[in-house]
Amino acid sequence: EPEVTQTPSHQVTQMGQEVILRCVPISNHLYFYWYRQILGQKVEFLVSFYNNEISEKSEIFDDQFSVERPDGSNFTLKIRSTKLEDSAMYFCASSAGTSGTEQFFGPGTRLTVL
Amino acid sequence: KNQVEQSPQSLIILEGKNCTLQCNYTVSPFSNLRWYKQDTGRGPVSLTIMTFSENTKSNGRYTATLDADTKQSSLHITASQLSDSASYICVVSPPRAGNMLTFGGGTRLMVKP
Repeated sequence: EPEVTQTPSHQVTQMGQEVILRCVPISNHLYFYWYRQILGQKVEFLVSFYNNEISEKSEIFDDQFSVERPDGSNFTLKIRSTKLEDSAMYFCASSAGTSGTEQFFGPGTRLTVL
Repeated sequence: KNQVEQSPQSLIILEGKNCTLQCNYTVSPFSNLRWYKQDTGRGPVSLTIMTFSENTKSNGRYTATLDADTKQSSLHITASQLSDSASYICVVSPPRAGNMLTFGGGTRLMVKP
């Protein structure tokens, strides 16, 4: 069964460093998303991406964040200058369609900022 | 601000028993309401998706109900199994928000033998 994959599973970085989190969505899906979940808190929407551009983003997704689909299979989230409060689980998801369509989540990348 | 509140925060039941988890939301109208299962340290997995016009949706031993008048949804789990131990999250998609989902805090369910 097709699934969303994410790498790395755990990333440790120093405050102020740039990190890139990688995702491979399900191959025939057209919509891609990033969410984050701070330990013990709710899952929060960051951004959605369709047709090579951002379609929606939350207040959390500020200028420090960017997303890219560099090729036909990968979808990346970049954090330019990490802060301690960026420590969280980051989930990538993809869906075949828009509103009302099931979103399939990856296993997540745990980001720890020291 | 859109809000999705769930109760109880945590629940312990014995294997084989049934349970019902509650979700109250303030988003009205909404595009759809979803229930997800999230194992510890893993991504959420979709259980059900309902539009505002649907009253109930089943997926095996999971049955979700929706009352748009009271703005409540419930997830009923029948004949619980040890593998049902997880967080169950209610998620609402506000209108005109496309694919932006608003997550509840979840109910942490533990099924004991």
